[in-house]
Amino acid sequence: QSALTQPASVSGSPGQSITISCTGTTSDVGAYNYVSWYQQRPGKAPKLIIYNVRNRPSGVSSRFSGSKSGNTASLTISGLQAEDEANYYCCSITNRNTLRFGGGTKLTVL
Amino acid sequence: QVQLQESGPGLVTPSETLFLTCSVSDYSISNGYYWGWFRQPPGKGLEWIATIYHSGDTYYNPSLKSRVTMSVDTSRNHFSLRLTSLTAADTAVYFCAREMPGEGYMDVWGKGTTVTVSS
Repeated sequence: QSALTQPASVSGSPGQSITISCTGTTSDVGAYNYVSWYQQRPGKAPKLIIYNVRNRPSGVSSRFSGSKSGNTASLTISGLQAEDEANYYCCSITNRNTLRFGGGTKLTVL
Repeated sequence: QVQLQESGPGLVTPSETLFLTCSVSDYSISNGYYWGWFRQPPGKGLEWIATIYHSGDTYYNPSLKSRVTMSVDTSRNHFSLRLTSLTAADTAVYFCAREMPGEGYMDVWGKGTTVTVSS
């Protein structure tokens, strides 16, 4: 199964907002409100930051928000901080009870 | 606070079989949740390998299904991955994680274990 489509890289200056898109199909992203987002710093395990499209786990900053329209989910980070520099991955459940990740997006804080 | 810890060989010979175990602490596998294996080749993205429920129900990545077996041992509170016919393409960091049933998100991850396939 191919990966969900994410931009390879995005960048922004401190204080700005950025949005990372995650495009799938009617068999995954478009089928359910079960898209999650993960932050991964080099050499570390992924960290859940958004689940079920727009929910934040306890302890995750409110600067992280999620949304979905059709087959595309989005992660927005507002008030960009240097510590947000990391790789971000989306993930969706599919109609075959499998999981599909996006290819990952490298966020650079300028 | 639930913790997951992967264990396994760091180096495996091509064509051989990989066995990995994920030990779960401070939470009983039998209490619910799904449990999954994931991997990340060097410099690349995350890939889902397989998921298991404590009952033994399993779900496999179609691209790996012919080579993967996942099992759970509730008495030892751990679950395992078996991957056969290894090639260099299987070189990766392997992670285990706790997965929310039916919703497909992973809220707790292990730190990962590096597996290198080389002769």
